Amino acid sequence: SQQGEEDPQALSIQEGENATMNCSYKTSINNLQWYRQNSGRGLVHLILIRSNEREKHSGRLRVTLDTSKKSSSLLITASRAADTASYFCATAPNQAGTALIFGKGTTLSVSS
Amino acid sequence: EAGVAQSPRYKIIEKRQSVAFWCNPISGHATLYWYQQILGQGPKLLIQFQNNGVVDDSQLPKDRFSAERLKGVDSTLKIQPAKLEDSAVYLCASSPRTANREKLFFGSGTQLSVL
Repeated sequence: SQQGEEDPQALSIQEGENATMNCSYKTSINNLQWYRQNSGRGLVHLILIRSNEREKHSGRLRVTLDTSKKSSSLLITASRAADTASYFCATAPNQAGTALIFGKGTTLSVSS
Repeated sequence: EAGVAQSPRYKIIEKRQSVAFWCNPISGHATLYWYQQILGQGPKLLIQFQNNGVVDDSQLPKDRFSAERLKGVDSTLKIQPAKLEDSAVYLCASSPRTANREKLFFGSGTQLSVL
């Protein structure tokens, strides 16, 4: 089953603009992670935010987590053409030994 | 360090045929996962190994899919017989420890087309 639901499904922006993607989930979590997938490739881990954290930064990435609303957002600032990819949120359930559950993803297209 | 290796990259078969995929995780990674990713969707877990034992195979269609992890290192996933709806990318991932709450390292996947 898929727990995370990303919004929007697709996003098209110009280089230099910011891109914001949202993720909602259903059950309690230990942490939430974001991954990027370039066309025809595997997923690459971007950032992990734990349930007791509210915001985290990594380079041009900013992730927020609101456990009361069961939602997270990923902000990519000053987008580049190379950011064109699909982005997935994945939740790590509280139950020990349970694998990550991925959402359906947001497809980001950055044009120059 | 070397990444997760998968082969083949592409496979085209006819329905009812059998197919096998191979994965070699990052050296020392205890946990190995097989995910199925249908076009336009996120990865869905098929099976999770910890060392050479199965942790979770609840979403593996066991009438046609099987998987093993030899000596707790590399793994094979087999489909026999394949159906049209098995067309997907099969992703292998690994993680260092057994907490199962940390980041995953993915291979490039095997794209399967069933005709």
